[in-house]
Amino acid sequence: GAGVSQTPSNKVTEKGKYVELRCDPISGHTALYWYRQSLGQGPEFLIYFQGTGAADDSGLPNDRFFAVRPEGSVSTLKIQRTERGDSAVYLCASSRTAGDADTQYFGPGTRLTVL
Amino acid sequence: KNEVEQSPQNLTAQEGEFITINCSYSVGISALHWLQQHPGGGIVSLFMLSSGKKKHGRLIATINIQEKHSSLHITASHPRDSAVYICAVPNYGGSQGNLIFGKGTKLSVKP
Repeated sequence: GAGVSQTPSNKVTEKGKYVELRCDPISGHTALYWYRQSLGQGPEFLIYFQGTGAADDSGLPNDRFFAVRPEGSVSTLKIQRTERGDSAVYLCASSRTAGDADTQYFGPGTRLTVL
Repeated sequence: KNEVEQSPQNLTAQEGEFITINCSYSVGISALHWLQQHPGGGIVSLFMLSSGKKKHGRLIATINIQEKHSSLHITASHPRDSAVYICAVPNYGGSQGNLIFGKGTKLSVKP
């Protein structure tokens, strides 16, 4: 079946602009995770959803970052007033539940470049 | 908050060699993840383990919960194993919802 998909695959924007990054999880997966990965670093947790609610948003760096998952499926990560330091690959993953036995399946990522 | 250390950072091996990558963490956990990231960027989950040992093909993952240490072994390494290998653990020792990742081990296997 289809894996996790993310759109767009690449996004170039100017400093100060607003961007939205979309994640389509595997059908039926209740848990959805957002990470970001800077060059040469491991992924960094941002937020995860269990169903429609954000179960843990402690990784969001500041209030310019916001994520929603209104129907418990597709999620959108929103970044306001982008800064050059926001440039990174934004990764989404989903799992059947957030339980310890459930594998996370990663999307291909969205490469965000803020000029 | 958990801290994760991986070693080595970089590893070059000849085809056929036995590879070991290590991961240690500071806070007791329920499960540890090993991930593989290829040069194109895609991440694949290799193992999730909470005790003992798991094997998948030429890959073996072990974990010692008491010592807060895990190893990933690759037997009979092949150039297609070249990738970055990352371990990840729950940030606060709980479920996998909030993971903290190591910086990764970049493996290059030469033919």
